Amino acid sequence: DQQVKQNSPSLSVQEGRISILNCDYTNSMFDYFLWYKKYPAEGPTFLISISSIKDKNEDGRFTVFLNKSAKHLSLHIVPSQPGDSAVYFCAASGSNDYKLSFGAGTTVTVRA
Amino acid sequence: DAGITQSPRHKVTETGTPVTLRCHQTENHRYMYWYRQDPGHGLRLIHYSYGVKDTDKGEVSDGYSVSRSKTEDFLLTLESATSSQTSVYFCAISPGTSGRSDIQYFGAGTRLSVL
Repeated sequence: DQQVKQNSPSLSVQEGRISILNCDYTNSMFDYFLWYKKYPAEGPTFLISISSIKDKNEDGRFTVFLNKSAKHLSLHIVPSQPGDSAVYFCAASGSNDYKLSFGAGTTVTVRA
Repeated sequence: DAGITQSPRHKVTETGTPVTLRCHQTENHRYMYWYRQDPGHGLRLIHYSYGVKDTDKGEVSDGYSVSRSKTEDFLLTLESATSSQTSVYFCAISPGTSGRSDIQYFGAGTRLSVL
């Protein structure tokens, strides 16, 4: 049973607009969350993370928001650029856990 | 980029044959992981290692075995490949120094086709 869910398999957005990717989790022991980006024929690369002691973390155009009560996090990309077209994976782990649980991924396409 | 090399990058094999995939790291990280990526499933953990000769199962370990005889090498073996093991396999590494899961760094992947 998947503990991390990305319910939108794909997202299409116009260049310059905001991309919002959503992720839900079911395990209340998760306290560290990460987003990875993956281009075709390459391995996933780390994008941004957030600890459960925060509700927001920013890094340039990328912001992750965490709503612990709803067990929900989102990734905002502003403004979206053509190079942002990729698959984005949400991942989570609990304390004392050296494993990550991944969502199924969301494919983002940025239209010119 | 983290120093992770996966070999081979592509492999086609026949059902019933043994296959070994190799992951080599130059970062001296303690933790190493094998994942498979399939449409609709994202990345699923097969096995992981927390030190030389120390390994444990992930969520989809049936049909796979692993070995780690040196810090830098983590091998994934399919003893008798089946068509359901056609997938893209990723190796990842992590320092394991924070007392919990750190950021994991991934290799470029191995595309395996079992005919």
